[in-house]
Amino acid sequence: EVQLLESGGGLVQPGGSLRLSCAASGFTFNNYAMSWVRQAPGKGLEWVSGISGSGGSTYYADSGKGRFTISRDNSKNTLYLQMNSLRAEDTAVYYCAKDHDSSGYYYGDNWFDPWGQGTLVTVSS
Amino acid sequence: QSVLTQPPSVSGAPGQRVTISCTGSSSNIGAGYDVHWYQQLPGTAPKLLIYGNSNRPSGVPDRFSGSKSGTSASLAITGLQAEDEADYYCQSYDSSLSALFGGGTKLTVL
Repeated sequence: EVQLLESGGGLVQPGGSLRLSCAASGFTFNNYAMSWVRQAPGKGLEWVSGISGSGGSTYYADSGKGRFTISRDNSKNTLYLQMNSLRAEDTAVYYCAKDHDSSGYYYGDNWFDPWGQGTLVTVSS
Repeated sequence: QSVLTQPPSVSGAPGQRVTISCTGSSSNIGAGYDVHWYQQLPGTAPKLLIYGNSNRPSGVPDRFSGSKSGTSASLAITGLQAEDEADYYCQSYDSSLSALFGGGTKLTVL
């Protein structure tokens, strides 16, 4: 069974940093692109960042460019999101999601299945 | 405001049929990119409901169906059940924005 388990969320002050992790199991991790998707309280879904299976290609939404860094450690089956210069508007539940395509390439029009349970990031003083 | 527009809410009585629209533009849905749909039950993570415009993953009841035409897509739910009460999101792609989601539609079963 494919499982994704996020961790690393919490309360952080504006301007601070946080690193989220997503531990994957049940599939050949390096064969799949992965993404982070967030959901602000009471709001809709927003794609944040994506990474190819090898980790060689990364993609970001404008909201996180220059502040967020996506990476992966395929030896540990773990996806990361380093978030710096955090703002109040970054407050959200952050989900990691597995790309459906086993080629390892990141295609923006692929679908995500499954998703992790999410980890809450709160940016507040 | 999302690039993909969904109605904020829809409702229907048990057994009825409801549809949820997802309207895009010539740079996303109208450019030929596929549309996918997710169901998010209260307090849970999104779950894939429809992929590639009209395909159901195994385990998704055939009461759920998807279609796409021009710059829009639709999700239809027939034989509405209380357990279908959830938020529904469409997803597509825009070459300038990468993956994008609709704003979501809250389905209320009356």
